[in-house]
Amino acid sequence: QVQLVQSGAEVKKPGASVKVSCKSSGYSFTVYGTNWVRQAPGQGLEWMGWITSYNGDTVYAPKFQGRLTITTDTSTSTVYMELASLRSDDTAVYFCARDGITGYYFDSWGQGTLVTVSS
Amino acid sequence: DIQMTQSPSTLSASVGDRITITCRASQSISDSLAWYQQKPGKAPKLLIYKASNLENGVPSRFSGSGSGTEFTLTIGSLQPDDFATYYCQQYNNYGRTFGQGTKVEIK
Repeated sequence: QVQLVQSGAEVKKPGASVKVSCKSSGYSFTVYGTNWVRQAPGQGLEWMGWITSYNGDTVYAPKFQGRLTITTDTSTSTVYMELASLRSDDTAVYFCARDGITGYYFDSWGQGTLVTVSS
Repeated sequence: DIQMTQSPSTLSASVGDRITITCRASQSISDSLAWYQQKPGKAPKLLIYKASNLENGVPSRFSGSGSGTEFTLTIGSLQPDDFATYYCQQYNNYGRTFGQGTKVEIK
């Protein structure tokens, strides 16, 4: 079955960077794109960016341009999300999510990774 | 960027009620719209894609309709497991945008 398993919770200081991983299994990794979506405490969902593991092309939401890097390792079927220059309002649960077969919706999700930014 | 506006923000209903949630796009998105259900502490779950297509395994009491800029999610007969927060999401262009969410709570 399709599974996306994310790395564990992180605590970072303001100004630092965080790198979260998302390991996929149960499907052909390079056929589907992978997205990152975050959710601040008590808030809604916010799409951050996307990568295709076919060739590594990425698309980032304008809000995160210059601060977000999404990469892929096809040898381990893992996608990474690195967010730099962390601020307190980056405290959120970060989800990876797979593209749907017929469009850029999200048909499978990771379990979420809590990133806490605090001095 | 395409903005998505959901209404209402909160909906109080009883088991057995038929409920409808509306999602409006700031410009036409054709039928590139999905709906998700999220429960506290869990990842969202895909319910509907391409405005009206039911995801495998999702109960038939869920249905979606609409195109262009106005879309609806209907739950035909609300069940105890349906009390959750629902989000719409557009995927018409390279950017993806979520609505702000609708919390369905017990009346």
